[in-house]
Formats: sequence, C-alpha cells, structure tokens
Amino acid sequence: AQKITQTQPGMFVQEKEAVTLDCTYDTSDPSYGLFWYKQPSSGEMIFLIYQGSYDQQNATEGRYSLNFQKARKSANLVISASQLGDSAMYFCAMRELSSQGGSEKLVFGKGTKLTVNP
Amino acid sequence: DTGVSQDPRHKITKRGQNVTFRCDPISEHNRLYWYRQTLGQGPEFLTYFQNEAQLEKSRLLSDRFSAERPKGSFSTLEIQRTEQGDSAMYLCASSLEDHGTEAFFGQGTRLTVV
Repeated sequence: AQKITQTQPGMFVQEKEAVTLDCTYDTSDPSYGLFWYKQPSSGEMIFLIYQGSYDQQNATEGRYSLNFQKARKSANLVISASQLGDSAMYFCAMRELSSQGGSEKLVFGKGTKLTVNP
Repeated sequence: DTGVSQDPRHKITKRGQNVTFRCDPISEHNRLYWYRQTLGQGPEFLTYFQNEAQLEKSRLLSDRFSAERPKGSFSTLEIQRTEQGDSAMYLCASSLEDHGTEAFFGQGTRLTVV
C-alpha cells in the first residue's frame, strides 16, 4: 500500500500568491516524522520543513508552513508569497523506522510539479 | 562545509559495463543513505550505513549492486553488468545519528545505460 500520496501531479500559481500542496500518509507507527523537500531541475533535494508526530504546533520555516492534520493523516505544505524560484518538484516524505537494523529511512511520494507564473 | 558531494554528476555507460559512484557526506554525519530516483517518481531507498556498518539493504538492491563505506566517511555504490533498467538518478544523503529531522542530500549522479 502506498504510504505517501501526493494527488496533484502539477500545480500552477501566480507570483506572490499562496499555494497548498497536498500530502496524505499512512502509518500505524505512533512515532513518525514528515518532511517536505524541493527538487529543482538541477536535481538536488533541498530540505524545506519537518513535522514530528508529537509536535503540538504546525511547523513553519519562513514562507513555508505545514498544515498538519493528524486525524486526517494529512501534512499539506503551504507556500506563501510564491516566487518564480519556487518552480520545482516538491516531495512529501515520511520517516519510517525499519525493523531491520533499527535504521530510519525516508519514504517519498511521487511529487508535485509546481509552476509559478509571472 | 560544502554539504554532501557526489561524483560523477553524470555517467553514460554501455549495457554490461560496471560503474562506481562516490558520495562524500557532511563530515560529522555518521548516517549515510543511498536512494534511487527514476523519471516521474520520488526517491526510493536502497541502503543505509551507520558509520562503516551497512545496516539495511532494500530488496531493490539486486546482487549486481554493492555499496561500501570502508572508513565510515565516504561511500561508494557499484553496479556490475549494468542494464538499461538501471538508468536513474542515484542520490546520497547523510544525517546525524539522532537527527530526528532532516537528511541532507547531494546533487545526485545521473546514470544513463545505453
């Protein structure tokens, strides 16, 4: 079963507007972490924001905020005041604790391509 | 600190050849991960090291793949007898042991098997 679902293959937003990128997740582990990464066309994965499952408040990092709704198992990324440089792929990921060796790995969704129009 | 460094950035190889990629993590990070990303997909976990110990390998990692981190610093990923299906972006990431938060990724090595 897919553990991270990003239902929006592509999104468009006008410069200076806000945009919400959707992410739902599935886990039975009470302790987990949720991440958002940005991947520009150059390929590197850039960390944006993190939300722990026990965090009481929604995470914020500058223009990025995470709308965490635990009961709905959703962790949507909100980008405020979009800039042309925000055009990129955005990936939602969940930290999964493996039973094998106690390692932690990230499980990624398929991503959403965001295009910011001038 | 220059972040996670991967070499080469691009590799084109003929089917059946062996290739080796290198990853230099952030110096104080003892956890190192390899992921593979195919077109239109998110990265998929391949393997994980804590210091020099390889603690987990994904089922995606066939016998043709081997990864090492001999001194707990840089890591290499080797693919033997490459196949066209191996064409992908190979991403390396590193983190602190009790990071709880982000893993830092390199810029990746894009492999094309022709």
